[in-house]
Amino acid sequence: RKEVEQDPGPFNVPEGATVAFNCTYSNSASQSFFWYRQDCRKEPKLLMSVYSSGNEDGRFTAQLNRASQYISLLIRDSKLSDSATYLCVVTRSGGSYIPTFGRGTSLIVHP
Amino acid sequence: DTEVTQTPKHLVMGMTNKKSLKCEQHMGHRAMYWYKQKAKKPPELMFVYSYEKLSINESVPSRFSPECPNSSLLNLHLHALQPEDSALYLCASSQEGRVSGELFFGEGSRLTVL
Repeated sequence: RKEVEQDPGPFNVPEGATVAFNCTYSNSASQSFFWYRQDCRKEPKLLMSVYSSGNEDGRFTAQLNRASQYISLLIRDSKLSDSATYLCVVTRSGGSYIPTFGRGTSLIVHP
Repeated sequence: DTEVTQTPKHLVMGMTNKKSLKCEQHMGHRAMYWYKQKAKKPPELMFVYSYEKLSINESVPSRFSPECPNSSLLNLHLHALQPEDSALYLCASSQEGRVSGELFFGEGSRLTVL
């Protein structure tokens, strides 16, 4: 079983739609959780950290379920500019903090 | 604008060449990383430096040789590469010791091995 698993998609949705991505992780000692966004041929950029209590940033809501070992990202009112790959990142401590990436979920928002 | 600077942005090399990728950050971060990313795949961790010491080597072939001259610089020396090593090489840094572990990436060096 991979350490971090994501549905690769693509998710193809119309503008204005609500879309949700899930990510599961296998290491119960994982400490920090993030969603990154990566545009085509660009570097990944942090979208948001994920906290146990859940957190929201505008149209984006992230949640963490430690008991079931998954994190989620909800995007409301999708925009064309949201089209990108969304990478789940889970960090464990092994001396250094070791961030492990999921394979990414591709989102395509169409008019 | 990214605060992690990578050079060169593009590199084409033959299998017998020796070249280096460079990465620089001035955020005072004490952990620096090299990732390799192939098309339509996630970044794969190669090396982690923590306080200028190599702390993680993810079983990377010896034709890739990392170096951390000081806390702001990270190099990746390349020698006798194979065409399958063609990829985007991403450098990242994080503030070691913080639980958050947020990564800051450079724009990457796109390597083509002929």
